[in-house]
Amino acid sequence: SQKIEQNSEALNIQEGKTATLTCNYTNYSPAYLQWYRQDPGRGPVFLLLIRENEKEKRKERLKVTFDTTLKQSLFHITASQPADSATYLCALDMGGNTPLVFGKGTRLSVIA
Amino acid sequence: EADIYQTPRYLVIGTGKKITLECSQTMGHDKMYWYQQDPGMELHLIHYSYGVNSTEKGDLSSESTVSRIRTEHFPLTLESARPSHTSQYLCASSEYGATYTDTQYFGPGTRLTVL
Repeated sequence: SQKIEQNSEALNIQEGKTATLTCNYTNYSPAYLQWYRQDPGRGPVFLLLIRENEKEKRKERLKVTFDTTLKQSLFHITASQPADSATYLCALDMGGNTPLVFGKGTRLSVIA
Repeated sequence: EADIYQTPRYLVIGTGKKITLECSQTMGHDKMYWYQQDPGMELHLIHYSYGVNSTEKGDLSSESTVSRIRTEHFPLTLESARPSHTSQYLCASSEYGATYTDTQYFGPGTRLTVL
């Protein structure tokens, strides 16, 4: 069966450390993988997209990797800050006329 | 910042009432979506549209209906609200035609409470 899993429901880290969030999938063949941030009571906000033929993508303190052999994406926030505390969602983008498939999310808490 | 709007932001209503949740976007996006999300829980796709006069049901069975008569407008209607419909409803649109990726831009949501 098709599954998308974000391995941790919640992750607590110390300010200044690197947060690493994991997204695994089975029986999907995404053309792209996207990451979103969601704050309580608000809609998700798009952060980054990585293509299937890209190994790594960076944006400021954010870094995403995509390994289509392992069927896994890692999302890193370096020098984390309390303001980074939120839920982070990964989403599989199959391309074409198929809606995104969202993971359940990982709730990140950065402790000062 | 995405130009996608939802009204009302909050709605408290009695059982059996008919309600329409409004969603509008000014970005000219063809694709639009409705999601349902309970607090702290995952997103569930309930309806989507790929353009005018196109509507599809999502993964989560829903008693709501949608229409897409204009590109910018994608309202969701509940004919007879029940307490089980209490949730947050999120609307999104996608710029697929420009990028061929389904990057979605979300509205602020409508928090619905049915008494």
